[in-house]
Formats: sequence, C-alpha cells, structure tokens
Amino acid sequence: IAGITQAPTSQILAAGRRMTLRCTQDMRHNAMYWYRQDLGLGLRLIHYSNTAGTTGKGEVPDGYSVSRANTDDFPLTLASAVPSQTSVYFCASTRDKVAVNEQFFGPGTRLTVL
Amino acid sequence: AQKITQTQPGMFVQEKEAVTLDCTYDTSDPSYGLFWYKQPSSGEMIFLIYQGSYDQQNATEGRYSLNFQKARKSANLVISASQLGDSAMYFCAMREGPSFGNEKLTFGTGTRLTIIP
Repeated sequence: IAGITQAPTSQILAAGRRMTLRCTQDMRHNAMYWYRQDLGLGLRLIHYSNTAGTTGKGEVPDGYSVSRANTDDFPLTLASAVPSQTSVYFCASTRDKVAVNEQFFGPGTRLTVL
Repeated sequence: AQKITQTQPGMFVQEKEAVTLDCTYDTSDPSYGLFWYKQPSSGEMIFLIYQGSYDQQNATEGRYSLNFQKARKSANLVISASQLGDSAMYFCAMREGPSFGNEKLTFGTGTRLTIIP
C-alpha cells in the first residue's frame, strides 16, 4: 500500500441498505477526512478525525457515521442509504507539524443509491 | 454566504497561452490557508499550490503561481504556457484558522478548464 486506498471503487446500492466505505492509509497521518463530491457543488466535508479515537462532524454529516479505532483506518458508514447519497466519496489525510499541510486524497468511491 | 467562490464554471484556452482561474474567499479569521487542487478526468485530486495568509510573497510552483490579493480576498491561480494536460477541473479551497495538523477544507465549486490545441 502506498498512500490512501479506498474500497470499493464503485458500488450500486439499494435504498435502505447499510454500506461501509473503507479507507486505509499507510502514511501514519493523524488527521483523516471524508468528503463527498457532487456535480456543481464541489467537495463537502462529511466527517473528520484529528487522531485515533476522536471524530468530528463536518458540513454534511447527516446520514453518515465514522469511527477511528486506529491511525490507519477511517471507515464511513451509511446506516440506511438514500438516493441523495449518490455521490463520489473521497477519503483524505494530512501530516502533522509541517508548514504546508495539503490533504492527500484517496482515489474515491463512486456510490449509486437506487 | 459562500466561503469560497469560483465564478468560472468553464473556460476554454488556446494551448501555450496563460490562463487565470478566479477564486475569492470569505473569512474573518486572520490566519488561514488557501489551496488549489487539480482533478483530471481520471478523478484523482492533485495538490498544486498553497498560500498562507501571512505569506508576504505570492506562491509559485513551476508553471503555477497564485495571485494573492489579501485586501480583495482573492487567490487566483495562474497557469503559464498552458498544455493539453492541463485540461481538468480545478478547485480552490480554504482552511480557516492556523494549521495544527487539522486541516478541514472548504472547497469552491470548481472551474473546468479545457485547453484547445
């Protein structure tokens, strides 16, 4: 593994089903993020985690939950998917204590909820 | 109010010409950071350039430069000598507050740049 991996790459899901999007990084970054990207809206922050064991809500958290049991993994769960959650989901992470702290992004998961 | 505004949904530019992508931002925090990302058709997010609110000089990275006008709250991306590979979606983003390893970003809606041969 190099950087951030996300699984699955894409998924078609029936409304009402539960779904967990996986995100794993091997860079030992403390902070991790989940964004969703929708046409015309850019990327919007769903949830974030500053360090293992802590999480916080972003701009659009409703319908999503996250956990951070360890440094490497940051799964995003949709408890009961709805069509409005059709989107491309990006996981990202940032380093600690550097002057320019850009976000490193995973390749994304394309989710379609029918 | 929008925190990041990109007013150009799409742009067409002739190859080898310079191009300026507009970005204005809104924050009352004196400490903030501004980022530009490129998203090619393959979908990945590529970091291009960063400008801190206290940086005295405009940031530059190869063919990319950031025209930072603090009083006007603008952070335009300038690409010199455009290439066909520059065709992509470009996002401006902002971090509010100082950088402590927690870099929550607010993104603009993006500009789709198409380079014409």
